Amino acid sequence: DTAVSQTPKYLVTQMGNDKSIKCEQNLGHDTMYWYKQDSKKFLKIMFSYNNKELIINETVPNRFSPKSPDKAHLNLHINSLELGDSAVYFCASSHAIPQSQETQYFGPGTRLLVL
Amino acid sequence: AQKVTQAQTEISVVEKEDVTLDCVYETRDTTYYLFWYKQPPSGELVFLIRRNSFDEQNEISGRYSWNFQKSTSSFNFTITASQVVDSAVYFCALSEPSSGSARQLTFGSGTQLTVLP
Repeated sequence: DTAVSQTPKYLVTQMGNDKSIKCEQNLGHDTMYWYKQDSKKFLKIMFSYNNKELIINETVPNRFSPKSPDKAHLNLHINSLELGDSAVYFCASSHAIPQSQETQYFGPGTRLLVL
Repeated sequence: AQKVTQAQTEISVVEKEDVTLDCVYETRDTTYYLFWYKQPPSGELVFLIRRNSFDEQNEISGRYSWNFQKSTSSFNFTITASQVVDSAVYFCALSEPSSGSARQLTFGSGTQLTVLP
């Protein structure tokens, strides 16, 4: 019954490795997001996907690549992990209605620790 | 640029006290949306409320109430008769336009609320 789910919940890995985080939503939403929460709890948008099209990607390094096989899934792949990538990554989803703002519902988060 | 300020980094209260969490925002949009989310110690982000810029009515939901004042660009959150389970980090957020049809959220830095028994 979980609306937005993420796997894994915890991820510990070495610098330089490549890892993926998976996200799935069963809310029928057409837009999904990835946010990063740093050690000071600050939350910042990384990506947004609407109908499998990337619509936000601003200051995120290109080592991060979102992949959306369908509307219900948005995975985050990270290449060549760095110490500074350690954070909590949240997936979220919402409807996307032009000129409106639907509520974003968040997954439980993935705690990534890079050693 | 959009900005959300939560000036209170940490607040501690004793159970049953009332507490208000402040949120001040900046935006050039005429239509915008404001949100509050709760992050308990378990870490998930829980949606509490959404308010659009055209609706300045205050809202009450149980022990929670929200005061939206466009004139001061504030969207404050009050918990009445606080309980230990209210202990969490509370985030205020503002939607902002992006390309395409979705809007992204800009979060404040959060307020850590601790309710002591």
